[in-house]
This record gives sequence, C-alpha cells and structure tokens, in this order.
Amino acid sequence: KQEVTQIPAALSVPEGENLVLNCSFTDSAIYNLQWFRQDPGKGLTSLLLIQSSQREQTSGRLNASLDKSSGRSTLYIAASQPGDSATYLCAVKGFNKFYFGSGTKLNVKP
Amino acid sequence: GAGVSQSPSNKVTEKGKDVELRCDPISGHTALYWYRQSLGQGLEFLIYFQGNSAPDKSGLPSDRFSAERTGGSVSTLTIQRTQQEDSAVYLCASSLTGSDSPLHFGNGTRLTVT
Repeated sequence: KQEVTQIPAALSVPEGENLVLNCSFTDSAIYNLQWFRQDPGKGLTSLLLIQSSQREQTSGRLNASLDKSSGRSTLYIAASQPGDSATYLCAVKGFNKFYFGSGTKLNVKP
Repeated sequence: GAGVSQSPSNKVTEKGKDVELRCDPISGHTALYWYRQSLGQGLEFLIYFQGNSAPDKSGLPSDRFSAERTGGSVSTLTIQRTQQEDSAVYLCASSLTGSDSPLHFGNGTRLTVT
C-alpha cells in the first residue's frame, strides 16, 4: 500500500527565508504528484501538479521537483512571506485515489 | 468560475441519527472524490466516481456509509446511525479527468456527532 511521509511536521521561519518541504512515497508507480496548501477551517488549494513524466514545475515563488525512482518530491518556497503560513500537503495519484501525507505546518514570522 | 461547493458547512447531530452531506463539483468535471479528515489525522479516502463507471467504494469504513452521484454531477454522502467516531471534516474534490488533472477541493462539511 502506498505510504506518503512529509518532513518536517512543523516549521517556523523568519520572513524572507528560502525553505524546502519534503515528501516521500513508497510506491513509485504513480500518475502524478500534487502539492496543496490548507488554511485553517478551509479545504485544500492546489499549488502545483507534476505529472509522472516530469521532473519539476514552477509557479511564482514555488518550485516543486519530482524524483519518481527514489520516491521523493520537494517543494521550494523562495523569499517566504507571512501569508505563506499554512499547512502544506503532498499527494500522489495511484489507481482511483490520491494518497496524502500528514502535512507540514509552516509558520512564517514577520 | 464557481468552485466545488459543499453543504452544509457545519452539521451537529445526535448519535444514531442519519446525515446527508452534499457536494456540487465544478461543472464539466468527470471525477469526484470524497475524503475524510479527522483531527490530527491525514486525509482518508472514502469513495471515487468517474463518469458513468461504477464507483470505487473501497475506502468506505462501514456499511453505514453510502454515496451516490446523480446525473454525473451532484453527489450525496449518507451516513446512517451516526457514531461519535464519525465526527470529522468531510471533504469533496473534483477534477476534469481522472488521471492527469489537478484536484479542486470544497471547503468541507464539519460533522460533529454528540
């Protein structure tokens, strides 16, 4: 069964710092990988989608990489801002379902 | 355009009662998922609908849970004889296709069973 792990579980950084969130998965047979953010009391917002044949995707200050063979993905956030504070989740797409990690709770201090 | 809409946003019910949770996916999206998020837990897959195909119900935790999707659009998740362990946030998501499109989530229904 696919298992998705996110490290660290929580992260607190000063504003302006560049940071990396990690996601690992046990089964490399995936269709795609998505990164989401979740604000308190809200649903999940899709940030980046990487297809299994791709190595990375970029959107603004966010860059996500995928190494399917080693079962790893990273989300790089450049020049972090207090508005980036949220929980970040990664999910891998298997047959008929997405498998989610437990998330990294990010706090960016002004 | 409109996103995924879920109702009600909050539901408090007594143990043993039945509840219905509703999801309106984004228009034209063929894939629809239900997930459950319990306090301090990750997202738990419940059920997946794709077009007119038979749904994947492998994540439903017991026969008290059922879901349907009418006309390939609106979906209803029904929990019969609710138990306290059913308390959670129930999230609905849709995507344009089943395999290579991003997931769009609703804001969820927070269910509290007293």
